[in-house]
Amino acid sequence: DAEITQSPRHKITETGRQVTLACHQTWNHNNMFWYRQDLGHGLRLIHYSYGVQDTNKGEVSDGYSVSRSNTEDLPLTLESAASSQTSVYFCASSNTNTGELFFGEGSRLTVL
Amino acid sequence: GNSVTQMEGPVTLSEEAFLTINCTYTATGYPSLFWYVQYPGEGLQLLLKATKADDKGSNKGFEATYRKETTSFHLEKGSVQVSDSAVYFCALKSSSSNTGKLIFGQGTTLQVKP
Repeated sequence: DAEITQSPRHKITETGRQVTLACHQTWNHNNMFWYRQDLGHGLRLIHYSYGVQDTNKGEVSDGYSVSRSNTEDLPLTLESAASSQTSVYFCASSNTNTGELFFGEGSRLTVL
Repeated sequence: GNSVTQMEGPVTLSEEAFLTINCTYTATGYPSLFWYVQYPGEGLQLLLKATKADDKGSNKGFEATYRKETTSFHLEKGSVQVSDSAVYFCALKSSSSNTGKLIFGQGTTLQVKP
């Protein structure tokens, strides 16, 4: 079955370190998204991509970057991790414009 | 701008009780509306959707009706089960968006006790 996987599922890092969260989907979806989930804020969009070499900023993109070198992967990089970036991160993909997103299981990041 | 507002949680119910989770939205035009559910330790998954006014989405005993006049999309279930315990998110896709991008509400935690 096609799926979307995230790694690592849990990570603890220190302030100032660079961190990369991986996202891999096997549906061949064009659209991919990164959200962060925080209590009281729900899901907020960080970055998104509509295809290879395409990337766009979401509402909370400061301190994050993404790259899309192939259809399957959209890694999320925190250039210099901050405690405010402690969160649960979800990757999602979709192949249509209908709004149905398929989510990964999430990556819990703690920045000490 | 576009936004989604959900009722504050957590909501705690006994098994077989009636459930309502309120959701209202602000958007221009005719957005598409969604309910997603997140079970413990999992990612979100689509529960139901409605794409135009007066449409009713339904799935697994849950229903929601797209009310343009009240800009609402309340989630209901007649008899909840312990297995319905989860976080529920209301979301919209703008009618002017051809990108598939969603705006989510804050989420409402539902706890069902036996």
